[in-house]
Amino acid sequence: DAGITQSPRHKVTETGTPVTLRCHQTENHRYMYWYRQDPGHGLRLIHYSYGVKDTDKGEVSDGYSVSRSKTEDFLLTLESATSSQTSVYFCAISEPGQGDYTFGSGTRLTVV
Amino acid sequence: QKEVEQNSGPLSVPEGAIASLNCTYSDRGSQSFFWYRQYSGKSPELIMSIYSNGDKEDGRFTAQLNKASQYVSLLIRDSQPSDSATYLCAVTGKSGYSTLTFGKGTMLLVSP
Repeated sequence: DAGITQSPRHKVTETGTPVTLRCHQTENHRYMYWYRQDPGHGLRLIHYSYGVKDTDKGEVSDGYSVSRSKTEDFLLTLESATSSQTSVYFCAISEPGQGDYTFGSGTRLTVV
Repeated sequence: QKEVEQNSGPLSVPEGAIASLNCTYSDRGSQSFFWYRQYSGKSPELIMSIYSNGDKEDGRFTAQLNKASQYVSLLIRDSQPSDSATYLCAVTGKSGYSTLTFGKGTMLLVSP
């Protein structure tokens, strides 16, 4: 997706290992989000950021942490991966007060 | 906890028909409403936004909002096979900026 990239696109990791997913934007948007998407649950918010070093929790934040040291980068870390964190992870960006999100292409994470 | 409900489908319509997708939400104070389209294996993309009661038309798409009934709908006229996708309803909260809460989505299948 133009202006927002996620890496890696696919990852397989073992239970108990830490994993970091990266979201990079070139749109200079203030807000960035991490969602996970699972069958039967839809998109659920993990964490979001409203500025450099300003982050807040979403509805499914347990087991995840985030960091934003630069406007363009928002990192999601699974501190100790579990099988329940197998999912597709989407990053999104928006301007403040706007619900028109632009999503990245997603990261498919498998925890074995 | 905000909730957004959608029928999971699939909703099957023949090519050229009108597809009607529905969504209800629990937070009476929600202010902004969105429809995203997600093709299989792809990321969601915004197709419509609506903020006030009534209808909003954009090409073949019409969004309808009834805040009293806490109901949002999306009509797709002259449905095409390329409209086959999952449609996600999303809402924001009532005070200041808040993040989007998504429904689980309705799968639409348009047969030639």
